[in-house]
Amino acid sequence: SAVISQKPSRDICQRGTSLTIQCQVDSQVTMMFWYRQQPGQSLTLIATANQGSEATYESGFVIDKFPISRPNLTFSTLTVSNMSPEDSSIYLCSVVEGRGLFFGEGSRLTVL
Amino acid sequence: DQQVKQNSPSLSVQEGRISILNCDYTNSMFDYFLWYKKYPAEGPTFLISISSIKDKNEDGRFTVFLNKSAKHLSLHIVPSQPGDSAVYFCAASVAYKYIFGTGTRLKVLA
Repeated sequence: SAVISQKPSRDICQRGTSLTIQCQVDSQVTMMFWYRQQPGQSLTLIATANQGSEATYESGFVIDKFPISRPNLTFSTLTVSNMSPEDSSIYLCSVVEGRGLFFGEGSRLTVL
Repeated sequence: DQQVKQNSPSLSVQEGRISILNCDYTNSMFDYFLWYKKYPAEGPTFLISISSIKDKNEDGRFTVFLNKSAKHLSLHIVPSQPGDSAVYFCAASVAYKYIFGTGTRLKVLA
């Protein structure tokens, strides 16, 4: 399966700041998603990152809070804007291969 | 509305015995099912999957069973090893939309 790298792997952020997470895949992939896992919770889909067009957001997630870029078929970024402690989560980049869904190592954000 | 449920938040099993993790779903449109293992501070690792046209898929120590009429799938791990201790998520998919269960924490006791 594709190798998916995320940066940063973890960060501690101050309330009100923004942080951009990068996702790099070692091969071209059509479908790329961003998920969030809040402490003790399941994985929740934030949005589908569409190459060359605006991301498609799930209910409860908006572009102003989670802007996403996907400039090509191997790279995407997710920004968490104006962070609050409730944004403390693991953010996960994932790609589809065949019918399988594969994840990066995740970016653990702690907002103080 | 929780479309995919894992009703057991935790499970303890002795090393060498069988671990059985269960998952229920409500949407009959799901046609592909996956199991993942997750360690703390890591991304989920894909374990095994099954298409809705099958009722069993096996890969080494891992076997997934699908009962479509009951909308139920299970993951069997035989024999269980201490390194299997992790949180296990099931996921159900239709049209490249993946919905995850809440996870079951498996502890394999040496």
